[in-house]
Amino acid sequence: DVKVTQSSRYLVKRTGEKVFLECVQDMDHENMFWYRQDPGLGLRLIYFSYDVKMKEKGDIPEGYSVSREKKERFSLILESASTNQTSMYLCASSLGGLTGSGNTIYFGEGSWLTVV
Amino acid sequence: KQEVTQIPAALSVPEGENLVLNCSFTDSAIYNLQWFRQDPGKGLTSLLLIQSSQREQTSGRLNASLDKSSGRSTLYIAASQPGDSATYLCAVQPTTTGGFKTIFGAGTRLFVKA
Repeated sequence: DVKVTQSSRYLVKRTGEKVFLECVQDMDHENMFWYRQDPGLGLRLIYFSYDVKMKEKGDIPEGYSVSREKKERFSLILESASTNQTSMYLCASSLGGLTGSGNTIYFGEGSWLTVV
Repeated sequence: KQEVTQIPAALSVPEGENLVLNCSFTDSAIYNLQWFRQDPGKGLTSLLLIQSSQREQTSGRLNASLDKSSGRSTLYIAASQPGDSATYLCAVQPTTTGGFKTIFGAGTRLFVKA
C-alpha cells in the first residue's frame, strides 16, 4: 500500500514563527503536492513538485515556500506564520512524469495547524 | 475554467439502502475522474479512478460511472452501512493543466443511520 506520511498531525505556532511541515512518501512517486483545506473553500493547491528540486506554484502560493531535496520528501515552509494560515494541510503524491496524467493521487492524514 | 459540482451537499439514509452520489464537471477535457472518501479530521482516501476512456469502475460495494460527454459521474453505494458515513469527494484532472492541477468538488456528506 502507498504510504504518505505527514510527520506532525497537530501543531500550534505563534504569529511570525517559521513553520515546517514535512511529508514523506514511500512509493517512489515523481509528483508531490501540498493542499490546504478550509470549510467552505474546499481543497486549494499551494505548491506541487514533479521531480527533485523542481517546484511549481499552485493556486495560493503566497506566504508559503517548498523544498524537495529528495524524491521521497516534500516540505512546506511558512516563512512567517500568520493567523490566516490556520488550516488543515494535506500532502499528496502520485506517479507520473511531466504530464502527471491518469494516476491515482494518494493523500496523507493531514496536519492541523493553528497560528495564534 | 473547470468547475466540479457535487449534489447533494449532504445526505442521510437508513442502513441497507442503495444510494447514488452525483458529480458534474463543466469541461470534458480531462485525463480522469477520481472519487475519494474523507473521514472527519482525516486525509482523503482514494476509492476509484476512472480514466477518460473508461465508462465505469467497481470496487466491492462501490461502482463509479463516467459520462465524459455530458460531464457527469455517479458513485453508487450498494447496501449502505454506518461505516460508510463520511464525506465523498470527486475530482478531475484537466488536460489543460498537464494533469497536475486536480479540481475537487466540495463533497457530499453522507450519514448512514443504524
